[in-house]
Amino acid sequence: GDSVTQMEGPVTLSEEAFLTINCTYTATGYPSLFWYVQYPGEGLQLLLKATKADDKGSNKGFEATYRKETTSFHLEKGSVQVSDSAVYFCALSGNTGGFKTIFGAGTRLFVKA
Amino acid sequence: SQTIHQWPATLVQPVGSPLSLECTVEGTSNPNLYWYRQAAGRGLQLLFYSVGIGQISSEVPQNLSASRPQDRQFILSSKKLLLSDSGFYLCAWGEGSNQPQHFGDGTRLSIL
Repeated sequence: GDSVTQMEGPVTLSEEAFLTINCTYTATGYPSLFWYVQYPGEGLQLLLKATKADDKGSNKGFEATYRKETTSFHLEKGSVQVSDSAVYFCALSGNTGGFKTIFGAGTRLFVKA
Repeated sequence: SQTIHQWPATLVQPVGSPLSLECTVEGTSNPNLYWYRQAAGRGLQLLFYSVGIGQISSEVPQNLSASRPQDRQFILSSKKLLLSDSGFYLCAWGEGSNQPQHFGDGTRLSIL
């Protein structure tokens, strides 16, 4: 079945550092791909999405490109802030899972001032 | 715009007591509804989802149940809570396949 694999955390960076969180997926069809962010004690929020190959999703300085050839959707940000400290989830939907979304395990990011 | 409400925000219950968590969505019709559980420091576990009134799909056999009495209301219940039911419970709604899900603020459930 479909699956999502994210790099294990925690990831610890200094403020203004470059961020990459790797995400790869397994799917036989053409799913949509998402990144969600979860701040402490809160629910998940949609950060960005991409619906087809080579699409780039972007929001709040974060970017991710739907790479079908490498089945990847890596999250990047050029300069992180302390306020970016959170857990980030990669996810896919719309494939064989029907109405369900398949989430990765999440990657915790700590940003130090 | 669409909003999702989930309550209570926190709940402390003794082992063996019943549970009822409620979730309502505003601003959309016939949403798909989901209940997830998140153990401390862990990922999301899908518990139930519903594509319409009275239609419930269970993902994990356990002592929890879900009901959808109205189009935009989703309830998570238990007759007798176990210690292992502790966790952070999240309700979400979505418009369908290939669409993102939108989450409530969650209920932190502690079982004593």
